[in-house]
Amino acid sequence: GAGVSQTPSNKVTEKGKYVELRCDPISGHTALYWYRQSLGQGPEFLIYFQGTGAADDSGLPNDRFFAVRPEGSVSTLKIQRTERGDSAVYLCASSPGLAGAETQYFGPGTRLLVL
Amino acid sequence: AQSVTQLDSQVPVFEEAPVELRCNYSSSVSVYLFWYVQYPNQGLQLLLKYLSGSTLVKGINGFEAEFNKSQTSFHLRKPSVHISDTAEYFCAVSPMFKGAQKLVFGQGTRLTINP
Repeated sequence: GAGVSQTPSNKVTEKGKYVELRCDPISGHTALYWYRQSLGQGPEFLIYFQGTGAADDSGLPNDRFFAVRPEGSVSTLKIQRTERGDSAVYLCASSPGLAGAETQYFGPGTRLLVL
Repeated sequence: AQSVTQLDSQVPVFEEAPVELRCNYSSSVSVYLFWYVQYPNQGLQLLLKYLSGSTLVKGINGFEAEFNKSQTSFHLRKPSVHISDTAEYFCAVSPMFKGAQKLVFGQGTRLTINP
């Protein structure tokens, strides 16, 4: 079946602009996660959804970052007033959402470059 | 809070040689432990995970890892590597309490296999 997909695969924007990154999870997965991976680092947790609600948003770095999942499927990560330090690969993952320690299935990521 | 330290950023190994990738963690609560692999130009995928029970865990592609609670380690091993094992390997932990699904990753170890 189809895996996690993310669009766009690459995004170049200018400092101060607004960007939206989209994630399509595996069908039927109720849990969805966003991570950010800077160059040479491991992925860093941003936010976790269970269904439509954010169960844990403790990783969002500041109020410029916001994520939604209005129908419990597709999710959008929104970044306002982008800064050069936001440049990274943004990863999305999903899991069935039935138990703890589930395998998370990752998408290919969106590479964001802020000039 | 949790943190993960991967002691080697790069490990070069000759083909058919054994390899060990080291991982230590710190946590104030019990954790689940994971190893993920990222092949060139691909998304992260699960190699293996430790939830409970036997401390020796076997994963895909001939990899195994051993959980050592007293040393807070979860080292990854393979007795004989192949060129196709060239990838970046990430150790991760997840807090073992209800609702906690986020993964905390180490910085990664780049495994390079030389012929």
